[in-house]
Amino acid sequence: GNSVTQMEGPVTLSEEAFLTINCTYTATGYPSLFWYVQYPGEGLQLLLKATKADDKGSNKGFEATYRKETTSFHLEKGSVQVSDSAVYFCALSYNFNKFYFGSGTKLNVKP
Amino acid sequence: DAGVIQSPRHEVTEMGQEVTLRCKPISGHDYLFWYRQTMMRGLELLIYFNNNVPIDDSGMPEDRFSAKMPNASFSTLKIQPSEPRDSAVYFCASSPSRGNTEAFFGQGTRLTVV
Repeated sequence: GNSVTQMEGPVTLSEEAFLTINCTYTATGYPSLFWYVQYPGEGLQLLLKATKADDKGSNKGFEATYRKETTSFHLEKGSVQVSDSAVYFCALSYNFNKFYFGSGTKLNVKP
Repeated sequence: DAGVIQSPRHEVTEMGQEVTLRCKPISGHDYLFWYRQTMMRGLELLIYFNNNVPIDDSGMPEDRFSAKMPNASFSTLKIQPSEPRDSAVYFCASSPSRGNTEAFFGQGTRLTVV
């Protein structure tokens, strides 16, 4: 089957620290991979995506590389800010219709 | 475009009452999804439609839940009768079938059943 596993949170960092949120997936084919972000009281917003192996998605200083050999799509940012505090969801999809989401990882960034 | 629009944003109802949540997808999107988010279970896909037709409703928890999409610009999720364990945030999302793009989410409806 298809599934996404994320590291459990919460993750608490100081401002300007390096961030890694791990994500691995199980898939029967060649899905597209996504990171969504959810700020308090809001819906999920796309942060970045990658549609094939070795692609790197990037946005707002965040990056993730589609690693087929390790079935991973880890999210990284070199220097987090307080405004990055949110819940981050890893997801996969085939043909951009049905999406499979991980359980979410809450990030708290302290000044 | 205004994005995916959900109403109401908040709903408080008594156990046993009928609840109807509404969603207007982005114009031109032919996929529509209903998700439920709780602390215990995270984000769960309840049902999704393609061109107004339900494709997969395996996530609908029980017969008390029903969803319809009478036309391309409107969908409802109904719970009858509601129970306290239905308390959650319900999200609607839509996506186009062309263009390799993502699902766009509404801001959600926070349902509290007392």
